[in-house]
Amino acid sequence: AQSVAQPEDQVNVAEGNPLTVKCTYSVSGNPYLFWYVQYPNRGLQFLLKYITGDNLVKGSYGFEAEFNKSQTSFHLKKPSALVSDSALYFCAVTRQGNNRLAFGKGNQVVVIP
Amino acid sequence: GAVVSQHPSRVICKSGTSVKIECRSLDFQATTMFWYRQFPKQSLMLMATSNEGSKATYEQGVEKDKFLINHASLTLSTLTVTSAHPEDSSFYICSADDYNEQFFGPGTRLTVL
Repeated sequence: AQSVAQPEDQVNVAEGNPLTVKCTYSVSGNPYLFWYVQYPNRGLQFLLKYITGDNLVKGSYGFEAEFNKSQTSFHLKKPSALVSDSALYFCAVTRQGNNRLAFGKGNQVVVIP
Repeated sequence: GAVVSQHPSRVICKSGTSVKIECRSLDFQATTMFWYRQFPKQSLMLMATSNEGSKATYEQGVEKDKFLINHASLTLSTLTVTSAHPEDSSFYICSADDYNEQFFGPGTRLTVL
């Protein structure tokens, strides 16, 4: 079985400060990891993914994430948060050969002006 | 990039009626599509995997006779909520698989009175 843990319910950060949203995963085999963002009453927007290769993945809107195999983590980061980054963020995992995604519970990010 | 649409975006119906939601991949063909349900401020729950030309695979606890899925073409999957009740009110999101990456629709807000 595959699963994702996003330990924090809400992340508050001041505008301009670094933003980190944590994610740890559990999967057998090689993980495929994803981050999505969701604005109210909207579908999910893709931010970035890790399939293979460089552990540091750069994505949309200045976000990046680092795959850490030993810690089974894939934390999402942004060096300088914007108020418009306030949204719900989901981490998801699947594995090679399986197209069913397992989602974390989501983290509400609030960027304070 | 790959685009997935859903129709309608919002629907209000009376208890006991049936509602059909369409999910279309606009610029690619999708052998597999997924249907999710999301409650307020919660994660996405996979309901079923829709396979073109064959029966859908339902997750444990999801009633196949209540949530009818049809995937008649490589660009269209439909979810019909039959005999809808207020507890079926939710946000329904579809995704389409393109080379093991899922692209999400904007979601459908269903309200059953």
